[in-house]
Amino acid sequence: AQSVTQLDSQVPVFEEAPVELRCNYSSSVSVYLFWYVQYPNQGLQLLLKYLSGSTLVKGINGFEAEFNKSQTSFHLRKPSVHISDTAEYFCAVSSPDSWGKLQFGAGTQVVVTP
Amino acid sequence: DGGITQSPKYLFRKEGQNVTLSCEQNLNHDAMYWYRQDPGQGLRLIYYSQIVNDFQKGDIAEGYSVSREKKESFPLTVTSAQKNPTAFYLCASSRTGGYTEAFFGQGTRLTVV
Repeated sequence: AQSVTQLDSQVPVFEEAPVELRCNYSSSVSVYLFWYVQYPNQGLQLLLKYLSGSTLVKGINGFEAEFNKSQTSFHLRKPSVHISDTAEYFCAVSSPDSWGKLQFGAGTQVVVTP
Repeated sequence: DGGITQSPKYLFRKEGQNVTLSCEQNLNHDAMYWYRQDPGQGLRLIYYSQIVNDFQKGDIAEGYSVSREKKESFPLTVTSAQKNPTAFYLCASSRTGGYTEAFFGQGTRLTVV
């Protein structure tokens, strides 16, 4: 069984400041890791994914994440946020034997203020 | 444009009624999924289908039913047996295998009145 823990339910941040959203997972098999963003009353949009290879993954809108196998983490970072980054962010995990099913964390609400 | 279309966007249901949420995709994906989203709980898997005419229960299937008669379509019925149906429902699709991301529709917000 797999599980995902997003350590912060809400992260307030000032515009142009950096932000880090923390994600830890547990799994007994190899994993694929994803970060999705959700704007109010909309579906989820993929920010980035780790499938294999380089542990530093770059995504859309200036986001990046680092896969750390020893710490079972996949934290998301952005060096300078914009007001438009205000949204909910979800970390998700799957595995080769999960048939594409995703296990999601509870989400982190990012609120960017001027 | 390729994508996933969910309809309706908002749906109101009286207690005791069944309602069906539509999900159509033109991405040529074999796999389709239904997730339920509640505040503070992330997304939870209701049903999934890897191939036409086959589907499997997810973590919270009780009170829901699905069909997969066509590759493009995966409707979800919320039955009167679902005790707390008010939620945001998201449909997704992907190529088969865990090495690919899921693409999501815009969601249907169901409210029981």
